[in-house]
Amino acid sequence: GAVVSQHPSWVICKSGTSVKIECRSLDFQATTMFWYRQFPKQSLMLMATSNEGSKATYEQGVEKDKFLINHASLTLSTLTVTSAHPEDSSFYICSARVWGVMNEQYFGPGTRLTVT
Amino acid sequence: GENVGLHLPTLSVQEGDNSIINCAYSNSASDYFIWYKQESGKGPQFIIDIRSNMDKRQGQRVTVLLNKTVKHLSLQIAATQPGDSAVYFCAENPAGTALIFGKGTTLSVSS
Repeated sequence: GAVVSQHPSWVICKSGTSVKIECRSLDFQATTMFWYRQFPKQSLMLMATSNEGSKATYEQGVEKDKFLINHASLTLSTLTVTSAHPEDSSFYICSARVWGVMNEQYFGPGTRLTVT
Repeated sequence: GENVGLHLPTLSVQEGDNSIINCAYSNSASDYFIWYKQESGKGPQFIIDIRSNMDKRQGQRVTVLLNKTVKHLSLQIAATQPGDSAVYFCAENPAGTALIFGKGTTLSVSS
């Protein structure tokens, strides 16, 4: 149980285009979903916290108009990278927190974004 | 043998040795700590967790030690195997907030 999926697993897009990444909790309801970004040989950096039905909370330095987050249901959150640039190329990972259990988080497999 | 010391970016051990990976956390309000294993190109995989009311917790081949006095966390892996090669991250969880990840240690296990 407690499986989180991401789609796509990897994507290549051209500079200036937008890319949508989906994060789904497959067998549980997630109160909250988190989006992280990870550059090569670095740690995971929290981008934003997404609660179902409300606006996402972004970390300092993360542009909310560039990284659009929608959390329409307890099992789905999407991250849209708008007007992507090569510096947005990274590994994007989501995690989902189990409803009613504050500390348990489960991570997705990640999405590799390459912007050319 | 064991490798004990401050946080290191890489740790190389021989198969069968015990490994110790260290982590310093930053937030005194953190009450929950987790160790994750991340293989190349994959998301973090839960290894073991510990709450702040404990100072030691054991799993299968792994042990986590927590020293709240100096805000230090360690992961011990017994009889390290080549399949244990990965990057290991500690993460802290100030109550009700998102996980904060440490810098990570790359563990390399040679046969």
